[in-house]
Amino acid sequence: DGGITQSPKYLFRKEGQNVTLSCEQNLNHDAMYWYRQDPGQGLRLIYYSQIVNDFQKGDIAEGYSVSREKKESFPLTVTSAQKNPTAFYLCASSMRSTGELFFGEGSRLTVL
Amino acid sequence: GQQVMQIPQYQHVQEGEDFTTYCNSSTTLSNIQWYKQRPGGHPVFLIQLVKSGEVKKQKRLTFQFGEAKKNSSLHITATQTTDVGTYFCAANYGGSQGNLIFGKGTKLSVKP
Repeated sequence: DGGITQSPKYLFRKEGQNVTLSCEQNLNHDAMYWYRQDPGQGLRLIYYSQIVNDFQKGDIAEGYSVSREKKESFPLTVTSAQKNPTAFYLCASSMRSTGELFFGEGSRLTVL
Repeated sequence: GQQVMQIPQYQHVQEGEDFTTYCNSSTTLSNIQWYKQRPGGHPVFLIQLVKSGEVKKQKRLTFQFGEAKKNSSLHITATQTTDVGTYFCAANYGGSQGNLIFGKGTKLSVKP
């Protein structure tokens, strides 16, 4: 089946540790995105990539890093510099020429 | 930066009642998208509106884009318990999907 797979679904980490969230898509989409969702808030863009080996910062990129070495994969690292990392992280993809975003099921990160 | 205001934040209705959520922008939009997120789930694309004054229907859902392309609404007729969830608008101010700005969402609860 075509879709976006995020892992892990739940993750617990101690303060000061870096964490990497995986996002893989087999939709052959060029563009991929990472959003953060906090309770009662909309989705805020962290990073996006329109093509392999290229990515741009979103509104809240500080404390996060990404890579796009393959079209199918867009991992997100939450670094120790992110002051409030506990949140629900959503990965999405879209074809360059259309607007629809396809979301993964999300990764819920809790920092203890 | 750009902001899109979405109201109301919460709406509690009796099953069978109608429901409407509104999104407003101070500047003209390129297009607007609507997403639904079920409790514990991920956002799912509903529709995209592009043209001034556009009206689209999906069964009991009616989507409108204002004449000035600064506001939009989603109306559900005769709500059902399956309509429960949070409805988000996502405003595109032009350019790439990296310019998509999500509203904070309207959380709909339906009492049977």
